[in-house]
Amino acid sequence: GENVEQHPSTLSVQEGDSAVIKCTYSDSASNYFPWYKQELGKRPQLIIDIRSNVGEKKDQRIAVTLNKTAKHFSLHITETQPEDSAVYFCAASPGTALIFGKGTTLSVSS
Amino acid sequence: DTEVTQTPKHLVMGMTNKKSLKCEQHMGHRAMYWYKQKAKKPPELMFVYSYEKLSINESVPSRFSPECPNSSLLNLHLHALQPEDSALYLCASSQEGVAWRRAYNEQFFGPGTRLTVL
Repeated sequence: GENVEQHPSTLSVQEGDSAVIKCTYSDSASNYFPWYKQELGKRPQLIIDIRSNVGEKKDQRIAVTLNKTAKHFSLHITETQPEDSAVYFCAASPGTALIFGKGTTLSVSS
Repeated sequence: DTEVTQTPKHLVMGMTNKKSLKCEQHMGHRAMYWYKQKAKKPPELMFVYSYEKLSINESVPSRFSPECPNSSLLNLHLHALQPEDSALYLCASSQEGVAWRRAYNEQFFGPGTRLTVL
């Protein structure tokens, strides 16, 4: 089955810096790659997603890139703000359900 | 209505109790999911319903029993749980059923039920 590896597990940045989180997946049949942000005690919220027919997608300060050949995808957050502090999960879907990475705790200090 | 709702928000139960978790969506989604999430861990898939039929059961113990009475409702019946079952239980829904094609669609999560088993 699908296996998703996510790195780093923790990431600390200064406000205004960029943050990059990387994920790799194992199942070449996976065709959908969402990123979720989860604040303490709250539900996971989708922040951006990408489908396998697209290499890059951007939404304001957030961008995701996908390299199907290497089976990896990355989340880029520019101009980080304290409210970006949360746990971020990547996921991959081979068409049945979402398989999540283990999460990255992002801390943005002002 | 673009939300998934879950009740109750919190639940404390003993190991001999029987309780149910409820999930509801009115977005016309035909796939609904139950996930279990332990602290500082990712959501773990438990069950998937597609067009009101159970399509995936991820080897979940029988003390958890899902039910999908109609396309808007999803229940999780709990009986004889163990303390290690304490977790956040998340419901999610997505636009299309997953059984018949390799569809990929955004999953909308509910706020979860925080379950404590004593």
